[in-house]
Amino acid sequence: DAGVTQSPTHLIKTRGQQVTLRCSPKSGHDTVSWYQQALGQGPQFIFQYYEEEERQRGNFPDRFSGHQFPNYSSELNVNALLLGDSALYLCASSIRVLEGYTFGSGTRLTVV
Amino acid sequence: GNSVTQMEGPVTLSEEAFLTINCTYTATGYPSLFWYVQYPGEGLQLLLKATKADDKGSNKGFEATYRKETTSFHLEKGSVQVSDSAVYFCALSGPYGANSKLTFGKGITLSVRP
Repeated sequence: DAGVTQSPTHLIKTRGQQVTLRCSPKSGHDTVSWYQQALGQGPQFIFQYYEEEERQRGNFPDRFSGHQFPNYSSELNVNALLLGDSALYLCASSIRVLEGYTFGSGTRLTVV
Repeated sequence: GNSVTQMEGPVTLSEEAFLTINCTYTATGYPSLFWYVQYPGEGLQLLLKATKADDKGSNKGFEATYRKETTSFHLEKGSVQVSDSAVYFCALSGPYGANSKLTFGKGITLSVRP
């Protein structure tokens, strides 16, 4: 049973560009959350999607947006990239009636 | 708002030593508490969890007890192994149930010497 799959694993972007990160949740999971983990820090919650809608949002600017598709997969989009957006982006999936999250291995984004 | 405070690191121990990693939290309502572990180059793995006061989570020799009176969830292991070397994160979710967002501590790096 595949866990959470994220793509790409690494990418390098230039300041001001836009980026799209992708996540396929664990089989049977219907909720997807995104986290940003800066180097040496704990993950910070970006937003959560359920039934193709954003249900919760953390303290991130509107440059960060997302989408969930009917098959529960999700995308994270970041516009007008800043150097400070360089981080590991983690996707986590869950089922609403069960506890705990399953995390993917993350996408390492470097903005130069 | 919710917050999690972990003891400062890093921590270096010899194999078979006793491990304690402190974690305290601030939250409204009745959060669920978690310990996650992150091995180099990987995402987070759930180590253990507790969903109500006095619950004890345990896994792979690690234990943590949900102490509401001291708002703590300290991680312990009686005898660490080299393979336990990783970064450990304390986290909470809630107050709207365990599917609410996770709030993490800063994490602590554990290194175990042979």
